Amino acid sequence: DQQVKQNSPSLSVQEGRISILNCDYTNSMFDYFLWYKKYPAEGPTFLISISSIKDKNEDGRFTVFLNKSAKHLSLHIVPSQPGDSAVYFCAASAVQGAQKLVFGQGTRLTINP
Amino acid sequence: DTGVSQNPRHKITKRGQNVTFRCDPISEHNRLYWYRQTLGQGPEFLTYFQNEAQLEKSRLLSDRFSAERPKGSFSTLEIQRTEQGDSAMYLCASSLYSGVEQFFGPGTRLTVL
Repeated sequence: DQQVKQNSPSLSVQEGRISILNCDYTNSMFDYFLWYKKYPAEGPTFLISISSIKDKNEDGRFTVFLNKSAKHLSLHIVPSQPGDSAVYFCAASAVQGAQKLVFGQGTRLTINP
Repeated sequence: DTGVSQNPRHKITKRGQNVTFRCDPISEHNRLYWYRQTLGQGPEFLTYFQNEAQLEKSRLLSDRFSAERPKGSFSTLEIQRTEQGDSAMYLCASSLYSGVEQFFGPGTRLTVL
């Protein structure tokens, strides 16, 4: 069963505009959510996270929104830059125990000049 | 920069051979994780160490797989009698006990012929 889902395999956005990446989860035990960015032939790079006690977390051009009732989170990138072109993974964790990450399938973001 | 390092970066082997990968975590991190990523999917959890103790293993980790973390420092992941289905990117991540964010190495890409 896919506990974390990213339903858009790819997204294309014009440089300077907003990129919105979406993620849904099913497991109510998840209480911490993370976004990672991955370039080819590299490991995932941590971007931003949010605890379930919050509904928004901002870091520079990146903002993550969490809607617990809908079990949905989104990553907003404003303004989008060519260097943002990568695969973005949403991940979820339960703070208790192993804190292992459960990942979505990823969304390939392409920023067009 | 003392990030997570993994060796080798690439490994090509013949079916039936044994392979061993190494991960060196960020030095002050006491938690170490192994994940496997196949094409088009997000990373999947394999196993987790807190210091030298292996505390959780995924059902994905068949009895051909074994992981160690002697002295709570570097870790090794061994696959015995490799199969073509073992072809994947093997990722290592580390974190502090107090933190949920995990920091990934560049991965070892295994190809089983």
